[in-house]
Amino acid sequence: GDSVTQMEGPVTLSEEAFLTINCTYTATGYPSLFWYVQYPGEGLQLLLKATKADDKGSNKGFEATYRKETTSFHLEKGSVQVSDSAVYFCALSDPGGSQGNLIFGKGTKLSVKP
Amino acid sequence: DSGVTQTPKHLITATGQRVTLRCSPRSGDLSVYWYQQSLDQGLQFLIQYYNGEERAKGNILERFSAQQFPDLHSELNLSSLELGDSALYFCASSGTSGGGTQYFGPGTRLLVL
Repeated sequence: GDSVTQMEGPVTLSEEAFLTINCTYTATGYPSLFWYVQYPGEGLQLLLKATKADDKGSNKGFEATYRKETTSFHLEKGSVQVSDSAVYFCALSDPGGSQGNLIFGKGTKLSVKP
Repeated sequence: DSGVTQTPKHLITATGQRVTLRCSPRSGDLSVYWYQQSLDQGLQFLIQYYNGEERAKGNILERFSAQQFPDLHSELNLSSLELGDSALYFCASSGTSGGGTQYFGPGTRLLVL
């Protein structure tokens, strides 16, 4: 079945460092891809999404490009801030499938030190 | 604020008991999804309702059930609770029956003692 694999953390960076969180997927159809973020004690917030190959999702300085050839959707940010400390989840859903639920990776905890 | 509301925020109960979690979707959204987040299992899909009808089932135990009412709010019922049911339960809503962007509520933290 469909699945998502993302790099396990925790990831600790200094403020203004470059961030990459790797995410790869396995899907039989043409999934939509998402990054969600969970701040401490809160629910999941949609960070960005891409619905077809070569689409780039971006929000709040974060970017991810839907790469069909490498089945990847890596999250990047050029300069992280302390406020970016959170858990990041990569997820997919299959618009053409029988189920519309999201399939999540295990999450990557990011800590940014001042 | 996603527009999805969940009550209660926290719930503490004992083994063997039954609880009901409530979710109100964003205005206009017809789909409601329930997910369970635990340390060992991560985020797992439980069940989806679309416009009052059950649409898809995931890893939902037989002790758990859900429904969606005519006003589109949904309830997740957990019965014969076990220690291992302690988790965060999220509700999400979307405007489509499948594959669209889902917006999550703040979650209900359930602790079974």
